[in-house]
Amino acid sequence: GESVGLHLPTLSVQEGDNSIINCAYSNSASDYFIWYKQESGKGPQFIIDIRSNMDKRQGQRVTVLLNKTVKHLSLQIAATQPGDSAVYFCAEGGGSYIPTFGRGTSLIVHP
Amino acid sequence: NAGVTQTPKFQVLKTGQSMTLQCAQDMNHNSMYWYRQDPGMGLRLIYYSASEGTTDKGEVPNGYNVSRLNKREFSLRLESAAPSQTSVYFCASIIGTNYGYTFGSGTRLTVV
Repeated sequence: GESVGLHLPTLSVQEGDNSIINCAYSNSASDYFIWYKQESGKGPQFIIDIRSNMDKRQGQRVTVLLNKTVKHLSLQIAATQPGDSAVYFCAEGGGSYIPTFGRGTSLIVHP
Repeated sequence: NAGVTQTPKFQVLKTGQSMTLQCAQDMNHNSMYWYRQDPGMGLRLIYYSASEGTTDKGEVPNGYNVSRLNKREFSLRLESAAPSQTSVYFCASIIGTNYGYTFGSGTRLTVV
């Protein structure tokens, strides 16, 4: 079956560093991808999305890169702050009502 | 604008008891979803409602039922709770395909 997965379950960084969280997907027909942030005790929160006709999209301190050739998605967080500590999920929303979620990567930011 | 509101936030049930988790959204979204989240398992879809009047099973529907009461409300019912249903439950809504979810804050359910 199709799947969305993450390369690293935990990522530890120092405050001020840039963080990169990776995600692999296997459905070559996927055309929409989303990153969510989930803080402890809260529901996932939409961060940024990208459609398959784009390679890169930037938000406030975040950038999502899409490499369709190798079916890889990444989330880059610039100047990581303690408030960025959370679990980050990628999701594939490929033309259906049912996105597929990865298991998540825990980002730990050390002051 | 409250987004997606779930009630209750916490609940403890005894095995065999029943309960209904409530979810309401005020964003005029068409589709609503119920997920459960367990450690190391990520988000797993229980049931969803693509539009008012329709419901469909997700990945893990056994032991649950749902009702799409109207466009705003989508409830999840556990008829006979089991310890395996101990989890955090999230409701979510979406305006249409290829848009991000809006999630509620979750219901932490413990079945003893």
